[in-house]
Amino acid sequence: AQSVSQHNHHVILSEAASLELGCNYSYGGTVNLFWYVQYPGQHLQLLLKYFSGDPLVKGIKGFEAEFIKSKFSFNLRKPSVQWSDTAEYFCAVNSPNFGNEKLTFGTGTRLTIIP
Amino acid sequence: DAGVTQSPTHLIKTRGQHVTLRCSPISGHKSVSWYQQVLGQGPQFIFQYYEKEERGRGNFPDRFSARQFPNYSSELNVNALLLGDSALYLCASSSDRTYKNIQYFGAGTRLSVL
Repeated sequence: AQSVSQHNHHVILSEAASLELGCNYSYGGTVNLFWYVQYPGQHLQLLLKYFSGDPLVKGIKGFEAEFIKSKFSFNLRKPSVQWSDTAEYFCAVNSPNFGNEKLTFGTGTRLTIIP
Repeated sequence: DAGVTQSPTHLIKTRGQHVTLRCSPISGHKSVSWYQQVLGQGPQFIFQYYEKEERGRGNFPDRFSARQFPNYSSELNVNALLLGDSALYLCASSSDRTYKNIQYFGAGTRLSVL
Protein backbone atom coordinates (compact mmCIF):
# COMPACT_ATOMS: atom_id res chain seq x y z
CA ALA A 1 0.00 0.00 0.00
CA GLN A 2 1.10 3.53 -0.66
CA SER A 3 1.45 6.19 1.98
CA VAL A 4 2.48 9.84 1.84
CA SER A 5 4.12 11.77 4.65
CA GLN A 6 4.11 15.50 5.02
CA HIS A 7 6.08 16.25 8.15
CA ASN A 8 5.42 19.99 8.26
CA HIS A 9 1.92 20.40 9.64
CA HIS A 10 1.91 24.18 9.93
CA VAL A 11 4.48 26.55 8.46
CA ILE A 12 4.52 30.28 9.14
CA LEU A 13 6.65 32.55 6.96
CA SER A 14 7.02 36.23 6.24
CA GLU A 15 6.44 37.56 2.75
CA ALA A 16 9.47 37.18 0.45
CA ALA A 17 10.83 34.25 2.46
CA SER A 18 11.76 31.05 0.65
CA LEU A 19 9.57 28.00 1.03
CA GLU A 20 10.22 24.28 1.03
CA LEU A 21 7.54 21.79 2.01
CA GLY A 22 8.52 18.17 2.45
CA CYS A 23 6.78 15.17 0.91
CA ASN A 24 7.86 11.54 1.12
CA TYR A 25 6.03 8.53 -0.29
CA SER A 26 6.40 4.86 0.41
CA TYR A 27 5.84 2.96 -2.84
CA GLY A 28 8.94 1.74 -4.66
CA GLY A 29 7.43 1.20 -8.10
CA THR A 30 6.47 3.66 -10.83
CA VAL A 31 4.66 6.66 -9.40
CA ASN A 32 2.94 9.82 -10.52
CA LEU A 33 3.33 12.70 -8.07
CA PHE A 34 1.18 15.75 -7.50
CA TRP A 35 0.93 18.85 -5.35
CA TYR A 36 -2.54 20.25 -4.82
CA VAL A 37 -3.41 23.51 -3.07
CA GLN A 38 -6.58 24.44 -1.23
CA TYR A 39 -7.02 28.17 -0.73
CA PRO A 40 -9.39 29.23 2.07
CA GLY A 41 -12.95 28.51 1.00
CA GLN A 42 -11.94 27.09 -2.36
CA HIS A 43 -11.67 23.66 -3.91
CA LEU A 44 -8.50 21.63 -4.39
CA GLN A 45 -6.47 22.85 -7.35
CA LEU A 46 -3.49 21.26 -9.04
CA LEU A 47 -0.21 23.14 -8.53
CA LEU A 48 2.07 20.81 -10.44
CA LYS A 49 2.61 17.19 -11.40
CA TYR A 50 5.37 14.74 -12.21
CA PHE A 51 4.80 11.78 -14.50
CA SER A 52 8.23 11.14 -16.03
CA GLY A 53 11.25 12.90 -17.51
CA ASP A 54 12.92 15.95 -15.98
CA PRO A 55 12.71 15.49 -12.19
CA LEU A 56 12.45 19.25 -11.67
CA VAL A 57 8.92 20.31 -12.52
CA LYS A 58 7.51 23.79 -12.63
CA GLY A 59 3.95 24.63 -11.80
CA ILE A 60 1.69 27.60 -11.52
CA LYS A 61 2.34 30.74 -9.45
CA GLY A 62 6.12 30.23 -9.34
CA PHE A 63 6.07 26.88 -7.55
CA GLU A 64 8.40 24.03 -8.44
CA ALA A 65 9.07 20.55 -7.09
CA GLU A 66 11.92 18.11 -7.40
CA PHE A 67 11.45 14.34 -7.65
CA ILE A 68 14.34 12.50 -5.98
CA LYS A 69 13.69 8.81 -6.57
CA SER A 70 16.46 7.61 -4.24
CA LYS A 71 14.92 9.54 -1.38
CA PHE A 72 11.27 8.83 -2.27
CA SER A 73 10.73 12.57 -2.05
CA PHE A 74 8.88 15.25 -3.98
CA ASN A 75 9.46 18.50 -2.11
CA LEU A 76 7.68 21.70 -3.07
CA ARG A 77 9.62 24.95 -3.31
CA LYS A 78 9.06 28.61 -4.01
CA PRO A 79 11.89 31.17 -3.83
CA SER A 80 9.78 34.07 -2.57
CA VAL A 81 6.32 33.61 -1.05
CA GLN A 82 3.47 36.07 -1.14
CA TRP A 83 0.61 36.67 1.28
CA SER A 84 -1.73 35.12 -1.33
CA ASP A 85 0.10 31.78 -0.96
CA THR A 86 -1.62 31.27 2.39
CA ALA A 87 -3.38 27.94 1.92
CA GLU A 88 -3.29 24.21 2.68
CA TYR A 89 -0.91 22.19 0.52
CA PHE A 90 -1.34 18.50 -0.18
CA CYS A 91 1.12 16.09 -1.73
CA ALA A 92 -0.42 13.10 -3.51
CA VAL A 93 0.73 10.00 -5.36
CA ASN A 94 -0.76 7.35 -7.58
CA SER A 95 0.66 4.51 -9.56
CA PRO A 96 -0.20 2.78 -12.82
CA ASN A 97 0.49 -0.49 -11.01
CA PHE A 98 -2.60 -0.35 -8.84
CA GLY A 99 -5.28 -0.67 -11.51
CA ASN A 100 -7.06 2.60 -10.87
CA GLU A 101 -6.46 6.33 -10.54
CA LYS A 102 -6.70 6.38 -6.77
CA LEU A 103 -4.75 9.30 -5.32
CA THR A 104 -3.15 8.80 -1.94
CA PHE A 105 -2.80 12.13 -0.13
CA GLY A 106 -0.63 13.29 2.71
CA THR A 107 -2.19 14.96 5.72
CA GLY A 108 -1.43 18.40 4.34
CA THR A 109 0.67 21.39 5.37
CA ARG A 110 -1.03 24.61 6.41
CA LEU A 111 1.00 27.57 5.17
CA THR A 112 0.46 30.97 6.74
CA ILE A 113 2.21 33.98 5.19
CA ILE A 114 2.58 37.05 7.38
CA PRO A 115 2.48 40.34 5.44
CA ASP B 1 -16.54 25.77 -18.97
CA ALA B 2 -18.17 24.47 -15.82
CA GLY B 3 -15.95 22.58 -13.44
CA VAL B 4 -16.94 19.63 -11.31
CA THR B 5 -20.20 20.44 -9.55
CA GLN B 6 -21.44 18.82 -6.38
CA SER B 7 -24.73 19.02 -4.56
CA PRO B 8 -25.80 19.76 -1.97
CA THR B 9 -23.16 22.09 -0.54
CA HIS B 10 -23.99 21.34 3.06
CA LEU B 11 -26.04 18.65 4.69
CA ILE B 12 -27.02 17.86 8.26
CA LYS B 13 -28.22 14.37 9.15
CA THR B 14 -28.72 12.34 12.30
CA ARG B 15 -27.19 9.00 13.17
CA GLY B 16 -28.78 6.06 11.39
CA GLN B 17 -30.09 8.10 8.47
CA HIS B 18 -29.16 7.66 4.83
CA VAL B 19 -27.61 10.30 2.57
CA THR B 20 -27.12 10.72 -1.19
CA LEU B 21 -24.49 13.05 -2.58
CA ARG B 22 -24.36 14.04 -6.24
CA CYS B 23 -21.59 14.93 -8.65
CA SER B 24 -21.50 16.20 -12.22
CA PRO B 25 -18.11 15.83 -13.90
CA ILE B 26 -16.50 18.25 -16.29
CA SER B 27 -18.09 17.92 -19.71
CA GLY B 28 -16.35 15.14 -21.65
CA HIS B 29 -14.88 13.49 -18.56
CA LYS B 30 -15.81 9.84 -18.16
CA SER B 31 -14.12 9.01 -14.85
CA VAL B 32 -15.42 10.05 -11.45
CA SER B 33 -13.75 9.43 -8.10
CA TRP B 34 -15.03 10.08 -4.58
CA TYR B 35 -12.93 11.08 -1.60
CA GLN B 36 -13.64 11.70 2.09
CA GLN B 37 -11.76 14.52 3.80
CA VAL B 38 -12.01 14.53 7.57
CA LEU B 39 -11.04 17.79 9.28
CA GLY B 40 -7.28 18.07 9.58
CA GLN B 41 -6.57 15.18 7.20
CA GLY B 42 -5.93 14.71 3.53
CA PRO B 43 -8.64 13.31 1.25
CA GLN B 44 -9.09 9.53 1.39
CA PHE B 45 -10.14 7.57 -1.68
CA ILE B 46 -13.57 5.93 -1.54
CA PHE B 47 -14.47 4.90 -5.12
CA GLN B 48 -13.58 5.35 -8.75
CA TYR B 49 -16.07 4.83 -11.57
CA TYR B 50 -15.26 4.78 -15.25
CA GLU B 51 -17.82 4.19 -17.98
CA LYS B 52 -20.39 3.29 -15.32
CA GLU B 53 -18.27 0.50 -13.85
CA GLU B 54 -16.51 0.48 -10.50
CA ARG B 55 -12.76 0.57 -11.09
CA GLY B 56 -11.53 0.94 -7.56
CA ARG B 57 -12.70 0.91 -3.99
CA GLY B 58 -10.95 2.25 -0.91
CA ASN B 59 -11.02 0.90 2.62
CA PHE B 60 -14.56 1.93 3.49
CA PRO B 61 -17.40 -0.22 4.88
CA ASP B 62 -20.25 -1.57 2.76
CA ARG B 63 -22.46 1.24 4.06
CA PHE B 64 -20.79 3.31 1.35
CA SER B 65 -21.92 2.71 -2.22
CA ALA B 66 -21.87 4.65 -5.46
CA ARG B 67 -22.97 4.51 -9.03
CA GLN B 68 -22.36 6.33 -12.29
CA PHE B 69 -25.07 7.19 -14.77
CA PRO B 70 -25.00 7.14 -18.60
CA ASN B 71 -24.31 10.90 -18.62
CA TYR B 72 -21.26 10.18 -16.37
CA SER B 73 -22.71 11.94 -13.34
CA SER B 74 -22.41 10.02 -10.11
CA GLU B 75 -24.04 9.48 -6.74
CA LEU B 76 -22.44 8.49 -3.46
CA ASN B 77 -24.75 6.83 -0.96
CA VAL B 78 -24.04 6.30 2.71
CA ASN B 79 -26.40 4.19 4.85
CA ALA B 80 -26.77 4.00 8.61
CA LEU B 81 -24.81 7.19 9.20
CA LEU B 82 -22.34 7.33 12.07
CA LEU B 83 -20.92 10.40 13.80
CA GLY B 84 -17.57 9.53 12.23
CA ASP B 85 -19.00 9.99 8.74
CA SER B 86 -18.98 13.75 9.31
CA ALA B 87 -16.58 15.06 6.69
CA LEU B 88 -16.16 16.92 3.43
CA TYR B 89 -16.95 14.60 0.54
CA LEU B 90 -15.09 15.44 -2.63
CA CYS B 91 -15.79 14.37 -6.16
CA ALA B 92 -13.08 14.44 -8.81
CA SER B 93 -13.33 13.86 -12.54
CA SER B 94 -10.78 12.99 -15.18
CA SER B 95 -10.95 12.46 -18.90
CA ASP B 96 -10.17 8.75 -19.19
CA ARG B 97 -8.36 5.85 -17.58
CA THR B 98 -4.78 6.56 -18.57
CA TYR B 99 -2.49 7.17 -15.63
CA LYS B 100 -1.27 10.47 -16.93
CA ASN B 101 -4.59 12.01 -16.04
CA ILE B 102 -5.24 14.96 -13.86
CA GLN B 103 -8.12 14.73 -11.45
CA TYR B 104 -10.15 17.92 -11.11
CA PHE B 105 -11.96 18.39 -7.83
CA GLY B 106 -15.30 19.89 -6.97
CA ALA B 107 -15.90 22.12 -3.97
CA GLY B 108 -17.33 19.24 -2.00
CA THR B 109 -20.36 18.46 0.13
CA ARG B 110 -19.91 19.07 3.83
CA LEU B 111 -21.83 16.42 5.76
CA SER B 112 -22.51 16.83 9.46
CA VAL B 113 -23.92 13.85 11.35
CA LEU B 114 -25.49 14.69 14.72
